[in-house]
Amino acid sequence: DAGVIQSPRHEVTEMGQEVTLRCKPISGHDYLFWYRQTMMRGLELLIYFNNNVPIDDSGMPEDRFSAKMPNASFSTLKIQPSEPRDSAVYFCASSDSGTASGNTIYFGEGSWLTVV
Amino acid sequence: QKEVEQDPGPLSVPEGAIVSLNCTYSNSAFQYFMWYRQYSRKGPELLMYTYSSGNKEDGRFTAQVDKSSKYISLFIRDSQPSDSATYLCAMSKGTDKLIFGTGTRLQVFP
Repeated sequence: DAGVIQSPRHEVTEMGQEVTLRCKPISGHDYLFWYRQTMMRGLELLIYFNNNVPIDDSGMPEDRFSAKMPNASFSTLKIQPSEPRDSAVYFCASSDSGTASGNTIYFGEGSWLTVV
Repeated sequence: QKEVEQDPGPLSVPEGAIVSLNCTYSNSAFQYFMWYRQYSRKGPELLMYTYSSGNKEDGRFTAQVDKSSKYISLFIRDSQPSDSATYLCAMSKGTDKLIFGTGTRLQVFP
Protein backbone atom coordinates (compact mmCIF):
# COMPACT_ATOMS: atom_id res chain seq x y z
CA ASP A 1 0.00 0.00 0.00
CA ALA A 2 1.23 3.50 -0.81
CA GLY A 3 0.29 4.90 2.57
CA VAL A 4 -1.20 8.34 3.20
CA ILE A 5 -0.06 10.74 0.51
CA GLN A 6 0.23 14.46 1.15
CA SER A 7 1.09 17.34 -1.12
CA PRO A 8 2.89 19.63 -1.28
CA ARG A 9 5.71 18.38 0.94
CA HIS A 10 7.07 21.89 1.35
CA GLU A 11 5.49 25.25 0.77
CA VAL A 12 6.79 28.73 1.35
CA THR A 13 4.23 31.47 0.86
CA GLU A 14 3.76 35.12 1.64
CA MET A 15 1.46 36.36 4.35
CA GLY A 16 -2.05 36.90 3.02
CA GLN A 17 -1.85 34.22 0.33
CA GLU A 18 -4.16 31.24 0.15
CA VAL A 19 -2.64 27.86 0.98
CA THR A 20 -4.18 24.53 0.00
CA LEU A 21 -2.86 21.27 1.41
CA ARG A 22 -3.98 17.98 -0.08
CA CYS A 23 -4.31 14.46 1.23
CA LYS A 24 -5.07 11.05 -0.20
CA PRO A 25 -5.89 8.56 2.59
CA ILE A 26 -5.17 4.85 2.50
CA SER A 27 -7.75 3.10 0.35
CA GLY A 28 -10.58 1.64 2.42
CA HIS A 29 -10.00 3.84 5.44
CA ASP A 30 -13.17 5.54 6.68
CA TYR A 31 -11.54 8.07 8.99
CA LEU A 32 -9.38 11.00 7.99
CA PHE A 33 -7.62 13.33 10.41
CA TRP A 34 -5.80 16.64 9.96
CA TYR A 35 -3.17 17.48 12.58
CA ARG A 36 -0.82 20.42 13.01
CA GLN A 37 2.58 20.06 14.68
CA THR A 38 4.67 22.88 16.17
CA MET A 39 7.54 22.87 18.62
CA MET A 40 5.55 24.80 21.21
CA ARG A 41 2.18 23.06 21.01
CA GLY A 42 3.11 19.62 19.72
CA LEU A 43 0.65 17.65 17.62
CA GLU A 44 -2.89 19.07 17.66
CA LEU A 45 -5.99 17.65 16.04
CA LEU A 46 -7.61 20.21 13.77
CA ILE A 47 -10.53 18.26 12.31
CA TYR A 48 -11.53 14.72 11.47
CA PHE A 49 -13.94 13.10 9.05
CA ASN A 50 -15.80 9.81 9.11
CA ASN A 51 -17.16 8.58 5.79
CA ASN A 52 -16.39 11.99 4.27
CA VAL A 53 -18.48 13.84 6.90
CA PRO A 54 -16.77 16.29 9.28
CA ILE A 55 -17.30 14.99 12.82
CA ASP A 56 -15.29 17.34 15.01
CA ASP A 57 -13.76 20.61 13.86
CA SER A 58 -13.31 22.12 17.31
CA GLY A 59 -9.54 22.18 16.82
CA MET A 60 -9.68 24.44 13.77
CA PRO A 61 -8.02 27.59 15.09
CA GLU A 62 -10.16 30.19 13.34
CA ASP A 63 -12.32 30.92 10.34
CA ARG A 64 -9.29 31.27 8.12
CA PHE A 65 -9.02 27.48 8.20
CA SER A 66 -11.38 25.22 6.31
CA ALA A 67 -11.31 21.53 5.35
CA LYS A 68 -13.25 19.47 2.88
CA MET A 69 -13.52 15.85 1.91
CA PRO A 70 -15.44 15.65 -1.37
CA ASN A 71 -14.89 11.90 -1.70
CA ALA A 72 -13.33 8.95 0.08
CA SER A 73 -9.95 9.38 -1.56
CA PHE A 74 -9.28 13.09 -1.26
CA SER A 75 -9.28 15.86 1.32
CA THR A 76 -8.04 19.45 1.42
CA LEU A 77 -7.08 21.82 4.19
CA LYS A 78 -7.20 25.45 3.17
CA ILE A 79 -5.84 28.52 4.93
CA GLN A 80 -7.03 31.88 3.65
CA PRO A 81 -5.48 34.33 4.31
CA SER A 82 -2.31 32.76 5.68
CA GLU A 83 -0.33 34.33 8.54
CA PRO A 84 3.23 33.72 9.81
CA ARG A 85 1.84 31.99 12.92
CA ASP A 86 0.38 29.30 10.66
CA SER A 87 3.90 28.07 9.93
CA ALA A 88 3.95 24.43 11.03
CA VAL A 89 3.95 20.87 9.78
CA TYR A 90 0.48 19.73 8.78
CA PHE A 91 -0.16 16.01 8.92
CA CYS A 92 -2.95 14.05 7.39
CA ALA A 93 -3.73 10.63 8.88
CA SER A 94 -6.23 7.89 8.16
CA SER A 95 -7.68 4.91 9.95
CA ASP A 96 -10.05 2.07 9.15
CA SER A 97 -11.80 2.24 12.51
CA GLY A 98 -11.06 5.52 14.26
CA THR A 99 -8.96 5.88 17.39
CA ALA A 100 -11.63 5.38 20.05
CA SER A 101 -10.25 1.98 21.06
CA GLY A 102 -6.61 2.72 20.56
CA ASN A 103 -6.61 1.61 16.94
CA THR A 104 -3.74 2.61 14.75
CA ILE A 105 -3.90 5.72 12.66
CA TYR A 106 -1.47 6.06 9.79
CA PHE A 107 0.20 9.40 9.21
CA GLY A 108 1.45 10.88 5.99
CA GLU A 109 4.88 12.47 5.82
CA GLY A 110 3.50 15.94 6.39
CA SER A 111 3.33 19.24 4.56
CA TRP A 112 5.92 21.73 5.83
CA LEU A 113 4.41 25.20 5.61
CA THR A 114 6.35 28.43 6.05
CA VAL A 115 4.50 31.73 5.85
CA VAL A 116 6.78 34.76 5.53
CA GLN B 1 -2.30 23.62 32.02
CA LYS B 2 -1.95 21.12 29.20
CA GLU B 3 -3.88 17.87 29.46
CA VAL B 4 -0.74 15.89 28.68
CA GLU B 5 2.76 16.90 29.75
CA GLN B 6 5.97 15.47 28.33
CA ASP B 7 9.57 16.53 28.83
CA PRO B 8 10.94 17.63 25.43
CA GLY B 9 14.48 16.44 26.11
CA PRO B 10 16.74 15.92 24.32
CA LEU B 11 17.72 12.73 26.05
CA SER B 12 21.14 11.47 25.01
CA VAL B 13 22.23 7.94 25.99
CA PRO B 14 24.95 5.46 24.94
CA GLU B 15 24.07 2.39 22.92
CA GLY B 16 22.89 -0.45 25.15
CA ALA B 17 21.42 1.80 27.84
CA ILE B 18 17.93 1.45 29.27
CA VAL B 19 15.81 4.45 28.34
CA SER B 20 12.83 5.69 30.32
CA LEU B 21 10.36 8.09 28.70
CA ASN B 22 7.43 9.51 30.62
CA CYS B 23 4.22 11.48 30.38
CA THR B 24 1.83 12.83 32.97
CA TYR B 25 -1.77 13.74 32.39
CA SER B 26 -4.48 15.57 34.25
CA ASN B 27 -7.76 14.06 33.06
CA SER B 28 -8.76 10.78 34.70
CA ALA B 29 -11.13 10.06 31.79
CA PHE B 30 -8.26 8.88 29.59
CA GLN B 31 -8.54 5.13 29.01
CA TYR B 32 -6.30 4.34 26.05
CA PHE B 33 -2.61 5.14 26.09
CA MET B 34 -0.27 5.00 23.15
CA TRP B 35 3.33 5.68 22.25
CA TYR B 36 4.23 6.92 18.82
CA ARG B 37 7.72 7.15 17.34
CA GLN B 38 8.57 9.90 14.89
CA TYR B 39 11.76 9.91 12.87
CA SER B 40 13.12 13.19 11.60
CA ARG B 41 10.98 14.69 8.83
CA LYS B 42 8.53 11.78 8.92
CA GLY B 43 5.05 11.23 10.29
CA PRO B 44 4.50 9.52 13.66
CA GLU B 45 3.97 5.75 13.71
CA LEU B 46 2.32 3.72 16.43
CA LEU B 47 4.80 1.88 18.62
CA MET B 48 2.70 0.55 21.48
CA TYR B 49 -0.82 0.76 22.85
CA THR B 50 -2.20 -0.02 26.32
CA TYR B 51 -5.71 -0.02 27.65
CA SER B 52 -6.19 1.19 31.25
CA SER B 53 -3.54 0.36 33.85
CA GLY B 54 -0.78 -2.21 33.69
CA ASN B 55 2.24 -3.20 31.64
CA LYS B 56 2.66 -4.33 28.08
CA GLU B 57 5.84 -5.71 26.58
CA ASP B 58 6.88 -5.97 22.94
CA GLY B 59 10.46 -7.02 22.31
CA ARG B 60 12.78 -4.37 23.74
CA PHE B 61 9.87 -2.03 24.53
CA THR B 62 7.70 -1.97 27.66
CA ALA B 63 4.78 0.39 28.17
CA GLN B 64 3.54 1.05 31.68
CA VAL B 65 0.40 2.87 32.81
CA ASP B 66 -0.31 3.99 36.37
CA LYS B 67 -3.77 5.53 36.35
CA SER B 68 -3.72 6.28 40.07
CA SER B 69 -0.73 8.58 39.54
CA LYS B 70 -1.80 9.69 36.04
CA TYR B 71 1.61 8.67 34.77
CA ILE B 72 2.70 6.59 31.80
CA SER B 73 6.13 5.33 30.82
CA LEU B 74 7.91 3.74 27.91
CA PHE B 75 11.06 1.73 28.60
CA ILE B 76 13.52 0.79 25.88
CA ARG B 77 16.03 -1.93 26.73
CA ASP B 78 19.34 -2.36 24.96
CA SER B 79 18.84 0.91 23.11
CA GLN B 80 20.21 1.16 19.57
CA PRO B 81 21.22 4.13 17.41
CA SER B 82 18.22 3.27 15.23
CA ASP B 83 15.99 4.13 18.22
CA SER B 84 17.03 7.78 17.85
CA ALA B 85 13.76 9.59 17.21
CA THR B 86 11.11 11.67 18.93
CA TYR B 87 8.71 9.68 21.09
CA LEU B 88 5.20 11.02 21.56
CA CYS B 89 2.71 9.78 24.10
CA ALA B 90 -0.95 9.92 23.13
CA MET B 91 -4.19 9.34 25.00
CA SER B 92 -7.84 8.87 24.28
CA LYS B 93 -10.99 9.08 26.39
CA GLY B 94 -12.64 6.47 24.22
CA THR B 95 -13.44 8.92 21.46
CA ASP B 96 -11.68 9.48 18.17
CA LYS B 97 -9.85 12.49 19.55
CA LEU B 98 -6.26 11.61 20.39
CA ILE B 99 -4.40 14.02 22.67
CA PHE B 100 -0.64 14.01 22.11
CA GLY B 101 2.24 15.06 24.29
CA THR B 102 4.79 17.41 22.72
CA GLY B 103 7.31 14.59 22.35
CA THR B 104 10.72 13.69 23.82
CA ARG B 105 13.69 13.67 21.48
CA LEU B 106 15.96 10.68 22.08
CA GLN B 107 19.50 10.31 20.78
CA VAL B 108 21.34 7.00 21.14
CA PHE B 109 25.02 7.32 20.34
CA PRO B 110 27.28 4.39 19.40
